[in-house]
Amino acid sequence: DIVMTQSPDSLAVSLGERATINCKSSQSVFYSSKNKSSLAWFQQKPGQPPRLLIYWASTRESGVPDRFSGSGSGTDFTLTVSSLQAEDVAVYYCQQYYSIPPTFGQGTKVEIK
Amino acid sequence: EVQLVESGGGLVKPGGSLRLSCAASGFTFSKAWMSWVRQAPGKGLEWVGRIKSETDGGTTDYAGPVKGRFIISRDDSRNTLYLQMNSLKTEDTAVYYCTTVVTWGNGTTVIVSS
Repeated sequence: DIVMTQSPDSLAVSLGERATINCKSSQSVFYSSKNKSSLAWFQQKPGQPPRLLIYWASTRESGVPDRFSGSGSGTDFTLTVSSLQAEDVAVYYCQQYYSIPPTFGQGTKVEIK
Repeated sequence: EVQLVESGGGLVKPGGSLRLSCAASGFTFSKAWMSWVRQAPGKGLEWVGRIKSETDGGTTDYAGPVKGRFIISRDDSRNTLYLQMNSLKTEDTAVYYCTTVVTWGNGTTVIVSS
């Protein structure tokens, strides 16, 4: 199985400041036939199901605010929240869907400083 | 409105069985690849398994910890996804979500305890 490792486990960011979460896969998740990396980001607020934010490493899902962006390729990926809002307090997960089983990172908890 | 609604969770003894259902609406269920994802109390997300659409073969894949114990099926005439869970273990205690990846249900809670 591909192991996904996120860093940090938690971070506190002031309102309006940038939040950056990293995700590293134990092997490349680059899907050569699509020339894209099979990497998604999810947001989970307390008591709610996860919400898909980003897929193919950098494609924002419909309705997701443009302050959320994804980058990276191969084995190293980043989720950036350009200007943290109060409603962005959540746990964020990366997931690879390059191979079965799809695997998630352990999660990164984002709080307001 | 696109919606997934899980049901069937509850308290079951180790070694017991339970069947979860997921009712889908607002989209063409028969064309969707459907997955189950679980979340143990206070823990992260764990993929359980998936079933492809019938037109894509209707095949299933499972995570290692549940392979041979859990069975995913679908009834496209009822727009419903199922998760049959057998030989349950205490470590199967979790909230179980059905999902298309884009759309998620609110989950149903399974507690395995004596």
